[in-house]
Amino acid sequence: NAGVMQNPRHLVRRRGQEARLRCSPVKGHSHVYWYRQLPEEGLKFMVYLQKENIIDESGMPKERFSAEFPKEGPSILRIQQVVRGDSAAYFCASSPTGYPSNQPQHFGDGTRLSIL
Amino acid sequence: DAKTTQPPSMDCAEGRAANLPCNHSTISGNEYVYWYRQIHSQGPQYIIHGLKNNETNEMASLIITEDRKSSTLILPHATLRDTAVYYCIVQGGATNKLIFGTGTLLAVQP
Repeated sequence: NAGVMQNPRHLVRRRGQEARLRCSPVKGHSHVYWYRQLPEEGLKFMVYLQKENIIDESGMPKERFSAEFPKEGPSILRIQQVVRGDSAAYFCASSPTGYPSNQPQHFGDGTRLSIL
Repeated sequence: DAKTTQPPSMDCAEGRAANLPCNHSTISGNEYVYWYRQIHSQGPQYIIHGLKNNETNEMASLIITEDRKSSTLILPHATLRDTAVYYCIVQGGATNKLIFGTGTLLAVQP
């Protein structure tokens, strides 16, 4: 069974460009979570999506960041007009069900975003 | 804010049991205790979780105190590959989001 697949593994962008990060959840999982890890810091929750719906975006910056999880295809985290402070590792996790289930989340190996 | 408190670092000799403590004194009745670990620059790896009973799987054992205010993750025979940051997380609520603290850096020594 394939786990959570994230691509690209490394992404370099110049300031002002757009970054698109993709996440394919474990087959059969319909719940996706995005987390960000700044250098030398712990992971911070960003957004939780269930197919075609955003359930919780309390950790998303108010501007430039958006996420989607369409009916078909991977989940996308999009960062517009990137700035140096967006440099981080972005991790995606998936689970088969959401609340009130106690199913654990399974993580991908992340996308390392570097802003020049 | 994270609902858990862990020591920042611990050492363990290779082949010995590693016992990682976690305090979660404000845990609610319907919240689970989860353990993940992150080996350098990889994604977090799920280890084990429990509600009130002790749990064991192929990776580790989880001991939860009767009042549920603390728990201990036990790696029975630590190897060098177990060197990682271990996160104890209390999860619950309507969105299942994980709130990571600073974790414990476990260094397994040869």
